[in-house]
Amino acid sequence: QVQPQQWGAGLLKPSETLSLTCAVSGESFSGYYWSWIRQPPGKGLEWIGEINQSGKTNYNPSLKSRVTISFDTSKNQLSLKLNSVTTADTAVYYCARPSIDVHWGQGTLVTVSS
Amino acid sequence: QSVLTQPPSASGTPGQRVTISCSGSGSNIGKNYVYWYQQLPGTAPKLLIYRNDQWPSGVPDRFSGSKSGTAASLAISGLRSEDEADYYCAAWDDSLSGFYVFGPGTKVTVL
Repeated sequence: QVQPQQWGAGLLKPSETLSLTCAVSGESFSGYYWSWIRQPPGKGLEWIGEINQSGKTNYNPSLKSRVTISFDTSKNQLSLKLNSVTTADTAVYYCARPSIDVHWGQGTLVTVSS
Repeated sequence: QSVLTQPPSASGTPGQRVTISCSGSGSNIGKNYVYWYQQLPGTAPKLLIYRNDQWPSGVPDRFSGSKSGTAASLAISGLRSEDEADYYCAAWDDSLSGFYVFGPGTKVTVL
């Protein structure tokens, strides 16, 4: 199982846009959905949304108005954008296939602070 | 506030059997598969059980999952100190446009 590679800005100010990218293997995307999941410090897991290779997305209703997940087929990269962030969006963000892969990547800590 | 309910904590002594419940509704557990994750301190979650009661490769069969109606449970047999972790259930919810939902998590302590 090849771990996805994630990157993006780790420190944001309130009202800015969170932007993360996750590189996956092409074959791992074919026929599957990839999700973004987050975990605030000391709290539980929250599913943000998912995308498949055709670009079909599903979002958490509580975040839908602020979230965009996209996929660049030429680079096998999925992206997460979350706009108008607040301190409540401080979390470790994971890209994963939660119902498929045993091991997830290391995640990316994003801190929102003024 | 999650649509899935788990007890916040559970505990047992080494060798004991511990069971964690996960309660949902007809739009999630009642219709869809349940998944369980283990998160050891300071690490990323790990898929422990998929499709209600299936083990991914490498997961010991001391962990077992079951589902009945709108509830599911994870049992840990022969509890070991290394099982001390947070455990999350999850399922797809068909309400609204559909979304994946995690339970709030259960902290298992080995006494």
